[in-house]
Amino acid sequence: DTEVTQTPKHLVMGMTNKKSLKCEQHMGHRAMYWYKQKAKKPPELMFVYSYEKLSINESVPSRFSPECPNSSLLNLHLHALQPEDSALYLCASSREMNTEAFFGQGTRLTVV
Amino acid sequence: GENVEQHPSTLSVQEGDSAVIKCTYSDSASNYFPWYKQELGKRPQLIIDIRSNVGEKKDQRIAVTLNKTAKHFSLHITETQPEDSAVYFCAARDPGANSKLTFGKGITLSVRP
Repeated sequence: DTEVTQTPKHLVMGMTNKKSLKCEQHMGHRAMYWYKQKAKKPPELMFVYSYEKLSINESVPSRFSPECPNSSLLNLHLHALQPEDSALYLCASSREMNTEAFFGQGTRLTVV
Repeated sequence: GENVEQHPSTLSVQEGDSAVIKCTYSDSASNYFPWYKQELGKRPQLIIDIRSNVGEKKDQRIAVTLNKTAKHFSLHITETQPEDSAVYFCAARDPGANSKLTFGKGITLSVRP
């Protein structure tokens, strides 16, 4: 399996909702990432996990809460989001933190 | 921190012609330079990368060159095809333990049939 799989593909949520984005890889990669991408912009790093420990938090608001339950899974818990948080949320993984990163298909999130 | 500039922001070429996309970076310690292709509505896809100990790398119709002295690297696509139309992002990464990719702003390549 050479894929990074993200669910759901699309998500519409209200500003008072709580939802979670999921990411899974079975390539044995030990680094996993969350990126946010707005239209016509590059991916913007949010969080990095290395060996299931949070290594980088790019000063992301606390309404985004990452979780790495095991080496294959990465979640992003969402609570009390704002309309400006609407974006494509991309998960990526790499063998180690300083090796090639591969992206999942993303979750297109709309906050209403 | 690292700053990656990408020029031009849009590029249109005729099918069959070559396309060259250039990026500059600011941190001389950066040692890894990937290129990602993103088609509309799809994920960024790693198409080629180069490390600082190599000056050029080729993979079929695409190649990347790196000039460490000038701190710039370029993506070359030969014999362009309509399916090459996409947004291309360059990126750079320094060798630190907690290093991260810094992306350029992206260039929209259009290949005219």
